Amino acid sequence: QVTLRESGPALVKPTETLTLTCTVSGVSLSNVKMGVSWIRQPPGKALEWLAIISSSDEESYNPSLRSRLTISKDTSKSQVVLSMTNMDPDDTATYFCARTPYYPRSRSYFTGMDVWGHGTTVTVSS
Amino acid sequence: DVQMTQSPSSLSASVGDRVSITCRASRNIYNYLNWYKQTPKEAPKLLISDASNSRSGVPSRFSGSGSGSDFTLTISSLQPEDFATYFCQQSHSLPLSFGGGTRIEMK
Repeated sequence: QVTLRESGPALVKPTETLTLTCTVSGVSLSNVKMGVSWIRQPPGKALEWLAIISSSDEESYNPSLRSRLTISKDTSKSQVVLSMTNMDPDDTATYFCARTPYYPRSRSYFTGMDVWGHGTTVTVSS
Repeated sequence: DVQMTQSPSSLSASVGDRVSITCRASRNIYNYLNWYKQTPKEAPKLLISDASNSRSGVPSRFSGSGSGSDFTLTISSLQPEDFATYFCQQSHSLPLSFGGGTRIEMK
């Protein structure tokens, strides 16, 4: 059974850097189809995709946040890490990681996000 | 970038009603469209992938249709556990993107 679990600080101050960890179990991050996305959801609002990393370490980011985001992984620890710099109160949200199968298909490389963590809530406040 | 527009943003319905939610992409995404259900304080759950492929364990009352840029999620007979928020998401190209969500409320 594949599971993902997010961890990180519940509270960060404006201008600080947020670092979140997604710990994956039940599948290796080196599995050829194993991609992991980060998604966030401000209170009462829609989901926003942030970034993805593939099994071969290909990275992609939401262009609106690209300058602030870094995604990386440690396969030996089964962890995917997201860093977001210069945090602002508007970044207050629940942050999720999700398995995103990432492999060549007919006209795409992706399918649906089929396993999600429970999410971690981050509040940005001084 | 592909923009996803869902409608309506909310709807009121009763148990037993047939409900449809639409999702429109800003360009052709073929059938690379997924639907999720989210209940309060929970993570989204993938219901349908590739526009019409129901995931294992999803009740048969849920169905997805469409291709190109227009897609529909239909619940044939609404059940109490279906009152939730539903999101569409395109998986055709990066950056991946979600619709704004449709909240189904009890009438």
